[in-house]
Amino acid sequence: AQSVAQPEDQVNVAEGNPLTVKCTYSVSGNPYLFWYVQYPNRGLQFLLKYITGDNLVKGSYGFEAEFNKSQTSFHLKKPSALVSDSALYFCAVSTTGGGNKLTFGTGTQLKVEL
Amino acid sequence: GAVVSQHPSWVICKSGTSVKIECRSLDFQATTMFWYRQFPKQSLMLMATSNEGSKATYEQGVEKDKFLINHASLTLSTLTVTSAHPEDSSFYICSARANQNTGELFFGEGSRLTVL
Repeated sequence: AQSVAQPEDQVNVAEGNPLTVKCTYSVSGNPYLFWYVQYPNRGLQFLLKYITGDNLVKGSYGFEAEFNKSQTSFHLKKPSALVSDSALYFCAVSTTGGGNKLTFGTGTQLKVEL
Repeated sequence: GAVVSQHPSWVICKSGTSVKIECRSLDFQATTMFWYRQFPKQSLMLMATSNEGSKATYEQGVEKDKFLINHASLTLSTLTVTSAHPEDSSFYICSARANQNTGELFFGEGSRLTVL
């Protein structure tokens, strides 16, 4: 069975500072890893994905994530946070043989303050 | 990216009535769509996989007769909550797979159901 862990329920960052939202995963086989963002009462918006290739993946709105196979992690990062980045962030994983069904983490609420 | 439209965004209904939620892929065809349920401050729970032209595949613990899914075309899947009760109040989100190989999904905006 595949699973995703987001160990932090909430992350607080000052605007302009770098941010990291943590994610670790567990799968059998090669993982497909995703980050999504959700604003209040809205659906999920795709940020970035890792399928294969470079471990550092760049996505929307200046976000990036680094795939680390040995640590089974896929942390989301941004060099300089904006207040508008405040939202709920979900990490998700699927596998090549899993029917492409996504398993989501429990989400991390990011709060960026002035 | 691909666009998935969900309707209605908000719906309030009386207990015992049925509510239909539509999920459309606007600029691509989706043979498979997924329906999720999200409780406040919780993650998304996969309810069922909707397959065009065939029966939906439900996750364990999800009542098939309660949550009827119809995927009649390559761009439309519907979720009908039958005989809704207050405990069915939730945020329902659909997604569609734009790329069969990578598993990348695009999500609708969600539908907030409140059953009085």
